[in-house]
Amino acid sequence: NAGVMQNPRHLVRRRGQEARLRCSPMKGHSHVYWYRQLPEEGLKFMVYLQKENIIDESGMPKERFSAEFPKEGPSILRIQQVVRGDSAAYFCASSPRTGTDGYTFGSGTRLTVV
Amino acid sequence: RKEVEQDPGPFNVPEGATVAFNCTYSNSASQSFFWYRQDCRKEPKLLMSVYSSGNEDGRFTAQLNRASQYISLLIRDSKLSDSATYLCVVALPAGNMLTFGGGTRLMVKP
Repeated sequence: NAGVMQNPRHLVRRRGQEARLRCSPMKGHSHVYWYRQLPEEGLKFMVYLQKENIIDESGMPKERFSAEFPKEGPSILRIQQVVRGDSAAYFCASSPRTGTDGYTFGSGTRLTVV
Repeated sequence: RKEVEQDPGPFNVPEGATVAFNCTYSNSASQSFFWYRQDCRKEPKLLMSVYSSGNEDGRFTAQLNRASQYISLLIRDSKLSDSATYLCVVALPAGNMLTFGGGTRLMVKP
């Protein structure tokens, strides 16, 4: 049973480009969460999604960031017009139900903006 | 004030030592408490949940004091492989969002 799969593992983008980060939850998990970890800091919640629905996006920056979890395929975190301050590790987690039981993190995507 | 506060360390200890980490949280409505471990440049992994009655898992003991909003982790007989960053994590009732502390870095030396 594969865990939470994130790709790419590393992503380099120039300032102004778009970054797309993908997350496939564990089999049987229908809840997906995205977190961001800036260098030397803890993880910060960004968004919580279920299939085709954004449940809580209270941690998402107001501009340039969006997330989706379509009926088919992985969840996507999209960052438009990236800036150097977007350089961070982006972790996706999934769980089988509401609440914190069974929360499992993926290996993360390290975004570097040059 | 941060929602979850930890001493960032680093704690440098010799093998075999006992080391304790502390954490405070600001939201008194928090209901679930965890310690996660994060190795360098990797994802956080659940070390143990923390219960009001305290709980132990091998060399690791976690305690929760709701009145003081304080959580602790004790590691006995430290191993080199315990070197990592330890993250204190809380969640609200029926919540889906985890709130992480900044982490405490532990380095166990031979």
